[in-house]
Amino acid sequence: KAGVTQTPRYLIKTRGQQVTLSCSPISGHRSVSWYQQTPGQGLQFLFEYFSETQRNKGNFPGRFSGRQFSNSRSEMNVSTLELGDSALYLCASSLDRGRGDTEAFFGQGTRLTVV
Amino acid sequence: GEDVEQSLFLSVREGDSSVINCTYTDSSSTYLYWYKQEPGAGLQLLTYIFSNMDMKQDQRLTVLLNKKDKHLSLRIADTQTGDSAIYFCAGRKTSYDKVIFGPGTSLSVIP
Repeated sequence: KAGVTQTPRYLIKTRGQQVTLSCSPISGHRSVSWYQQTPGQGLQFLFEYFSETQRNKGNFPGRFSGRQFSNSRSEMNVSTLELGDSALYLCASSLDRGRGDTEAFFGQGTRLTVV
Repeated sequence: GEDVEQSLFLSVREGDSSVINCTYTDSSSTYLYWYKQEPGAGLQLLTYIFSNMDMKQDQRLTVLLNKKDKHLSLRIADTQTGDSAIYFCAGRKTSYDKVIFGPGTSLSVIP
C-alpha cells in the first residue's frame, strides 16, 4: 500500500513569499500531523488534523496554517516567509483508533529553503 | 508542558550493544516511543511502551522504562552499520494529545 506522500520534495522561496505544502496520507488514515524539523530546534509539532478539524496545535505564529480535506489530504501554508522558516517539514498520518499505540507513518518531508 | 531530553551523539563498534537514553519531564506521559530517522528519510516507529510497563523486548531492541526517574532507554543488541541513524525518543499524554519529540541521538556505528 502506498505510503505518506509529500509534495513537493524540495522548494526554494524568497523572503516574504508564501508557500503551500501538501500531504497525502495512507489510504484510510484520518489523522494527519505536521512537524517542522531544523538542526537547532529538532522536531517541533505544528498541528494535527482529524476528520477535517484541527485537533491539536503547536506554538507557532499565525503565519503557519493548515487544513484537511474530506479525503484526508492535508495542506499547510506559511505566509510571509522568513529565513528561519527554512526547514524540513514532515507530515505523519495514522489510523487513530483512539489508542496510543497507533503508529504514525511519516512521509519523506518537504525541504523548504528560504533565501 | 512536556520536555524530552536526549544526548546528541553516540558512537559504538559494530557488534557491540548501543544504549540510547532519554529523560522526559511530564510524569503523566502515558505513551513513549522510539523513532529512527535515516538520512534523507522520514521517521520510522521502532517500538513503543506504555507507562504501566517496565520493559519491552522486540528482537534486537529492548526498551526500559523507569517511571520514578522519568528515564527511558533503548538498547540495540549486536549493533550493525545499518543501525547508523538518528533515534528520537517521544512521548504523549493520551492518545489524542500531540507527540513531543526529543532532539534525537545520532548513532554512529564503527565497522
